[in-house]
Amino acid sequence: AQSVTQLGSHVSVSEGALVLLRCNYSSSVPPYLFWYVQYPNQGLQLLLKYTSAATLVKGINGFEAEFKKSETSFHLTKPSAHMSDAAEYFCAVSEPNSASKIIFGSGTRLSIRP
Amino acid sequence: EADIYQTPRYLVIGTGKKITLECSQTMGHDKMYWYQQDPGMELHLIHYSYGVNSTEKGDLSSESTVSRIRTEHFPLTLESARPSHTSQYLCASLGSVSYNEQFFGPGTRLTVL
Repeated sequence: AQSVTQLGSHVSVSEGALVLLRCNYSSSVPPYLFWYVQYPNQGLQLLLKYTSAATLVKGINGFEAEFKKSETSFHLTKPSAHMSDAAEYFCAVSEPNSASKIIFGSGTRLSIRP
Repeated sequence: EADIYQTPRYLVIGTGKKITLECSQTMGHDKMYWYQQDPGMELHLIHYSYGVNSTEKGDLSSESTVSRIRTEHFPLTLESARPSHTSQYLCASLGSVSYNEQFFGPGTRLTVL
């Protein structure tokens, strides 16, 4: 069975500082992995996805994530935080041939300090 | 860009009312999904559909029902709303060759008094 664990329900960083949001997954087969962002009172927007091609995945808004099979991790990073990055971030996992269902983590709220 | 719409965006109703949350997508996607999300919490799949006349219950038990008469339309209905139904409801759809990437609507925030 697939599952996702996001470490830290709330992360706070200063504007211009490195952003690191942690995600570990469990899957019985090579998975698809996603990071979604949710701004207040909105739906989810895809930041980036891993689909077994390059292990370092670049997404929108300067975010990237690295797939590390040995650590079963898919951490999200951004070199320099911007005030507009404040939002809820969800890591998600899906298995090929799983009826296309996605399992979401519990989310990490990112706050940016001026 | 994904085009998936949900109406209403916000709804406040009294206990016992019947409500229908609308979800439409213009991308011709076969697979559609409904999620329930409590504030600050993860998403839970409550219903999904593989296509017209196909509906399945999700991982979280829900008293709501869905229908899929047209490809583009996937409404969710609560026959008798209760305060425990207060939540955000998110609709999503999936293209057939998108590595399971789902596109989300803006959500409906439901409050039952």
